[in-house]
Amino acid sequence: AQTIHQWPVAEIKAVGSPLSLGCTIKGKSSPNLYWYWQATGGTLQQLFYSITVGQVESVVQLNLSASRPKDDQFILSTEKLLLSHSGFYLCAWHRGISAETLYFGSGTRLTVL
Amino acid sequence: GDKVKQSPSALSLQEGTNSALRCNFSIAATTVQWFLQNPRGSLINLFYLVPGTKENGRLKSAFDSKESYSTLHIRDAQLEDSGTYFCAAGGSNAKLTFGKGTKLSVKS
Repeated sequence: AQTIHQWPVAEIKAVGSPLSLGCTIKGKSSPNLYWYWQATGGTLQQLFYSITVGQVESVVQLNLSASRPKDDQFILSTEKLLLSHSGFYLCAWHRGISAETLYFGSGTRLTVL
Repeated sequence: GDKVKQSPSALSLQEGTNSALRCNFSIAATTVQWFLQNPRGSLINLFYLVPGTKENGRLKSAFDSKESYSTLHIRDAQLEDSGTYFCAAGGSNAKLTFGKGTKLSVKS
């Protein structure tokens, strides 16, 4: 069975500080991976997707970047946090590019002060 | 305007009653997914649909790509059905477009 793990569960960070969020998928080779962002009480907005190691496509520019250093790992980061980065970050995966069932991790709640 | 419009935005149900949620699309959707986000934030996939209908227990969903809408029917609502329901439209690319959600509260 496939499992998806996100870390950390929650972060409180200062404006201007760096950030790194991680996501690992186990039990599935070469998954399509996604980062989503959700403002408090808002909808989900796709940020990045990756279909293979080393390849990441940006969907929405929010002064964030993403990398896929390994087949089972997806990293979201920034060197300088903004207040507007606060929210809930979710990693997700599915098997194919034609939008099969999407499975989400449990998310990271980020508060920028 | 919103590419995926969900209605209603909020709903309160008595336990044991039935209801329907709706998504209207102004983009060309080839697939639809429905999710439930629980109070802790976890998103659970309820349905993945191509045009047609699916049923799972007390939930039933339909997707009409020609009329550009999808519905989610909840039968005999239970307290654990509470949360926010999102629909998401899938097109020919890798992007899913989410609606703003319907916040459902089931009361005893």
